[in-house]
Amino acid sequence: EVQLVESGGGVVRPGGSLRLSCAASGFTFDDYGMSWVRQAPGKGLEWVSGINWNGGSTGYADSVKGRFTISRDNAKNSLYLQMNSLRAEDTALYHCARDWDGMDVWGQGTTVTVSS
Amino acid sequence: QSALTQPASVSGSPGQSITISCTGTSSDVGGYNYVSWYQQHPGKAPKLMIYEVSNRPSGVPDRFSGSKSGNTASLTISGLQAEDEADYYCSSYTSSSTVFGGGTKLTVL
Repeated sequence: EVQLVESGGGVVRPGGSLRLSCAASGFTFDDYGMSWVRQAPGKGLEWVSGINWNGGSTGYADSVKGRFTISRDNAKNSLYLQMNSLRAEDTALYHCARDWDGMDVWGQGTTVTVSS
Repeated sequence: QSALTQPASVSGSPGQSITISCTGTSSDVGGYNYVSWYQQHPGKAPKLMIYEVSNRPSGVPDRFSGSKSGNTASLTISGLQAEDEADYYCSSYTSSSTVFGGGTKLTVL
């Protein structure tokens, strides 16, 4: 079964850091680009960051540029998002998604809450 | 990286057809044939319904179709069914990122 499972979310104070992980299974991980997409409570989808199959190309939304870093370990079939200098507006459910012809596989997400 | 523009809500009766628009610019929707559409039911992860403007992934009913003209993409759902009631989001690749629309709530009357 093709599956993505996120972990690493939690409650963090403003200015703090978190590292999200996404474990992939059921497909050849290094054949695909991957993305992180977040959804604030009651709001729409927001693309956060994307990475190509080998990590050689990355992209970020302006809202997180300079604070978040996406990476992957193809040997571990894993995707990561290092989030630094967190702000209240980063509070959201964070999904990882397989990104090829559209985002065709999604995880259920991990919740990040930034609050003092 | 401005969000694509979608109507906040649309509605239709069972059996009818509805169209959801998604307006961007020549830097996103108009510049690339990489428009996707996603369906999201409450509490669920998004589901890919259309990719590359008009292609349906395996398992998506052919009641769902996509098109594009200039800077505006459209999702049409024909023969509306109760289970189509959901939020719908468009997205487009740009030169260095991906941008989503604000989402459209579809109500089946």
